[in-house]
Amino acid sequence: SQQGEEDPQALSIQEGENATMNCSYKTSINNLQWYRQNSGRGLVHLILIRSNEREKHSGRLRVTLDTSKKSSSLLITASRAADTASYFCATAPNTGRRALTFGSGTRLQVQP
Amino acid sequence: DGGITQSPKYLFRKEGQNVTLSCEQNLNHDAMYWYRQDPGQGLRLIYYSQIVNDFQKGDIAEGYSVSREKKESFPLTVTSAQKNPTAFYLCASSIAGGPDSGELFFGEGSRLTVL
Repeated sequence: SQQGEEDPQALSIQEGENATMNCSYKTSINNLQWYRQNSGRGLVHLILIRSNEREKHSGRLRVTLDTSKKSSSLLITASRAADTASYFCATAPNTGRRALTFGSGTRLQVQP
Repeated sequence: DGGITQSPKYLFRKEGQNVTLSCEQNLNHDAMYWYRQDPGQGLRLIYYSQIVNDFQKGDIAEGYSVSREKKESFPLTVTSAQKNPTAFYLCASSIAGGPDSGELFFGEGSRLTVL
């Protein structure tokens, strides 16, 4: 089952613009993570936010978490052509399965 | 360099054949995972292992089998019982599993095509 659903499915912007991706999930979580995947490659971890945190920054990345709405957002500021990739959220549940569940992803295209 | 190595990168299989995908890590991680990715889709969990000689089914375990005889190795066998095996397979590891899971480290994937 897909715990996280991302919105939008695809996003096309110009270099220098900001990109915002949203993730919704269904069950109680311990933490939520964001990953990046270049076409045909493995995933790379970007940032982890715990359930008791509301916002986290890492370089040009800003992640927010609203546990009452079961949603998270990833903001990439001042985007670059090299940011072109698919972005996935993944949730670590509080109980039960001891593995991450991934969302369906957002495909980001940054036009130079 | 530390990391996860998957092999082969590309694999072609005839219907009715079993194939085994290799996943090796030298990160000294306890937990290892197998995910399947179909075109334009997210990742779906096949199997995971928290410790040597133990593993659990994920969401789509039917038609797959795994073993965890060594900490650094977690091979995945795609059996002939898997109805639609053509996909991109990703192996990952983490220091430990559980609710407080940290980041996953991924291999570069194995692309399986059934002819």
